Amino acid sequence: RKEVEQDPGPFNVPEGATVAFNCTYSNSASQSFFWYRQDCRKEPKLLMSVYSSGNEDGRFTAQLNRASQYISLLIRDSKLSDSATYLCVVNSGGGADGLTFGKGTHLIIQP
Amino acid sequence: SAVISQKPSRDICQRGTSLTIQCQVDSQVTMMFWYRQQPGQSLTLIATANQGSEATYESGFVIDKFPISRPNLTFSTLTVSNMSPEDSSIYLCSVDRGRRETQYFGPGTRLLVL
Repeated sequence: RKEVEQDPGPFNVPEGATVAFNCTYSNSASQSFFWYRQDCRKEPKLLMSVYSSGNEDGRFTAQLNRASQYISLLIRDSKLSDSATYLCVVNSGGGADGLTFGKGTHLIIQP
Repeated sequence: SAVISQKPSRDICQRGTSLTIQCQVDSQVTMMFWYRQQPGQSLTLIATANQGSEATYESGFVIDKFPISRPNLTFSTLTVSNMSPEDSSIYLCSVDRGRRETQYFGPGTRLLVL
């Protein structure tokens, strides 16, 4: 069973629309959760951490459901520049361990 | 965030040879990690580079194939030894110096093995 699973997409969404991604993780002891963004031929960059209470950063909202072991990312009023691969990332080690990455969800915003 | 550089940015190598990748951080960090991203895939952790001691390798990765050095708190190297075409990948280092175990990545080294 994969540790972090995401729908690979691609999601083709018109500019201005709202889009949501989900991600599930298998390790119930996981401590920290993140969404990273990776542009083509670039390194991953942290988009936002995901907190148990849910958190919002501008047009982006992340939520965590520990009981169901899934994480979501909502993008409102999508922009062309939002086109990228969004990686769901989990840290199961509580600080000293590396991260476990999902394979990513490809998002294409169309004009 | 940290400023992280990697050398080389890309290379094309012959099978059977070895390549050492360098990762330099602009400030001291506790944790440094090495990842691999194969074509069309997500990132896979190779090992944690421990300062002053041997690296901690993930399942499927061994020291003989991927020796790692971490001589100080700002620098690490990863060597890809006895390369084969299957080693063609992007190799990324990352550091952990933020809250909630956030990691920041270097720009990556694109390796093609012929």
